[in-house]
Amino acid sequence: AQSVTQPDIHITVSEGASLELRCNYSYGATPYLFWYVQSPGQGLQLLLKYFSGDTLVQGIKGFEAEFKRSQSSFNLRKPSVHWSDAAEYFCAVGALSGNNRKLIWGLGTSLAVNP
Amino acid sequence: DTAVSQTPKYLVTQMGNDKSIKCEQNLGHDTMYWYKQDSKKFLKIMFSYNNKELIINETVPNRFSPKSPDKAHLNLHINSLELGDSAVYFCASSPPGVRTEAFFGQGTRLTVV
Repeated sequence: AQSVTQPDIHITVSEGASLELRCNYSYGATPYLFWYVQSPGQGLQLLLKYFSGDTLVQGIKGFEAEFKRSQSSFNLRKPSVHWSDAAEYFCAVGALSGNNRKLIWGLGTSLAVNP
Repeated sequence: DTAVSQTPKYLVTQMGNDKSIKCEQNLGHDTMYWYKQDSKKFLKIMFSYNNKELIINETVPNRFSPKSPDKAHLNLHINSLELGDSAVYFCASSPPGVRTEAFFGQGTRLTVV
């Protein structure tokens, strides 16, 4: 079955510290992977995506993610967190069944940033 | 220029009422979606439309009826609202192709009292 797991429900880091948010997926074919961010009271914004090629992808706001097929992981990283990064982060895998395209979502990781 | 816009942003209504949420995208995308996000932030797809045709209809009560008058619009009508319908509803759209991401609206926070 297709699924996405974000093991950490809530993470707190200090401003300026590095960050890694974990994402593991289960998908039979080549995965199309996404990270989205949801700031309080806002919609979801795409941070980055992986389809093929270089397994280290760069996104907006200084984020990057690395696809590791052997570990079925697509972890999100940022070297130095800013207070404005406090938000909910969602990992998703794109699934295709016939003409049906949909995203399968993780449950999200809530990030708090201490000053 | 708002890419995916939903109205209203907030909706407070009584149980038993019927309400609609409107969604419009000006990106020229061919696929539109409705998602429900519960209080625990869990995102659940409800419907997907491709070129005005219903493609995905997840396990959603038939009190929820999507309507797509054209490719740029996907409205959500809810009959006989229940307390459990309280959530944030997101509209989204995707361009053609398999390798495409979804673009989200700002959400509609529905509160049923």
